[in-house]
Amino acid sequence: GQQVMQIPQYQHVQEGEDFTTYCNSSTTLSNIQWYKQRPGGHPVFLIQLVKSGEVKKQKRLTFQFGEAKKNSSLHITATQTTDVGTYFCAGRDNRLAFGKGNQVVVIP
Amino acid sequence: DVKVTQSSRYLVKRTGEKVFLECVQDMDHENMFWYRQDPGLGLRLIYFSYDVKMKEKGDIPEGYSVSREKKERFSLILESASTNQTSMYLCASSLFRWNEQFFGPGTRLTVL
Repeated sequence: GQQVMQIPQYQHVQEGEDFTTYCNSSTTLSNIQWYKQRPGGHPVFLIQLVKSGEVKKQKRLTFQFGEAKKNSSLHITATQTTDVGTYFCAGRDNRLAFGKGNQVVVIP
Repeated sequence: DVKVTQSSRYLVKRTGEKVFLECVQDMDHENMFWYRQDPGLGLRLIYFSYDVKMKEKGDIPEGYSVSREKKERFSLILESASTNQTSMYLCASSLFRWNEQFFGPGTRLTVL
């Protein structure tokens, strides 16, 4: 069945540094979505990527969709304490499959 | 702004009880979803509905049923709660089925 893997599962990031989280699918995706869940909160939609090789930016966040539409990455620059939380990717094949998430802890 | 509300933030039930979790959305979305979230397992789809009275099984439907009598309301039913159903339950809705999903605040269910 459709599987979406996220790596790493956990990250500790120093405030001010950059980090990247990755998402890999076993199947070719029609789109990939990213969500952020703050501690104690619920997942909130960040972005959707549709095209092969697509790159989108939201301030300090850069999202990429791989050429083969089987992987994606989220890169955050100059990490702030507000970036703490769990980042989920969700890949759409015939349905939407969520990865297990990347829990990010920011060290002040 | 889309708003998805869930009937309870916290719920404690006993093994064998019938449990109803309610979800309401106010944006006239056709699609509604129930997920459970467990540490290290991410979000797993239990059931979804793409129209009133229409439902489809997700990845882990065993032990659950759903009801969608009105467009804005989607209920998750645990016919006979068991301890392994202790979890965070998240409801979501979307305009287009597998596109952007709007989540409710979640219900943390504990089954004793």
